[in-house]
Amino acid sequence: QKEVEQNSGPLSVPEGAIASLNCTYSDRGSQSFFWYRQYSGKSPELIMSIYSNGDKEDGRFTAQLNKASQYVSLLIRDSQPSDSATYLCAVNLYSGTYKYIFGTGTRLKVLA
Amino acid sequence: KAGVTQTPRYLIKTRGQQVTLSCSPISGHRSVSWYQQTPGQGLQFLFEYFSETQRNKGNFPGRFSGRQFSNSRSEMNVSTLELGDSALYLCASSALSYEQYFGPGTRLTVT
Repeated sequence: QKEVEQNSGPLSVPEGAIASLNCTYSDRGSQSFFWYRQYSGKSPELIMSIYSNGDKEDGRFTAQLNKASQYVSLLIRDSQPSDSATYLCAVNLYSGTYKYIFGTGTRLKVLA
Repeated sequence: KAGVTQTPRYLIKTRGQQVTLSCSPISGHRSVSWYQQTPGQGLQFLFEYFSETQRNKGNFPGRFSGRQFSNSRSEMNVSTLELGDSALYLCASSALSYEQYFGPGTRLTVT
């Protein structure tokens, strides 16, 4: 089992819809969780971090964390074609030393 | 604040050569991590340096090495280049929050 799993997609949503991206992780020692966006040919950029159970909102983005079920999700409201990118989930866990693990990403396509 | 910078942005090398890549973190960030990104493998963790010490290491051969200087700038070196080393090499810096901020990357092509 991969430590951080994401559906590779592509996930296609119409413009204006809500895009829902999911990520599961295997290690219950995971402590902090991050979402990054990566446009083709560019480097990843941090969208949001979340550290405790529940929802965290930032503009059109909402991160949701459920440690009991070991998943973290990202909702993008009012999706725009400019949101089309690969979204990477990352987990920071402590296992003797801190490890930072990325999922392989979900490709999102927002259709105009 | 200035972002993470990486030099050079593009490199073309021949098999068997060695290469050194440089990364300057965001001011005040003491942790620098290096990643290799290829289309098939995604982001693969190479190593992390904190206060001039290697704190974590990924599963890469010994041909891949790095170091960090007292001003937190970091370099990574790849010796005896192989065709499979062609990739985008990304550097990320972070502070205590563990949020990582990436540089633009160095695209290495090995011919």
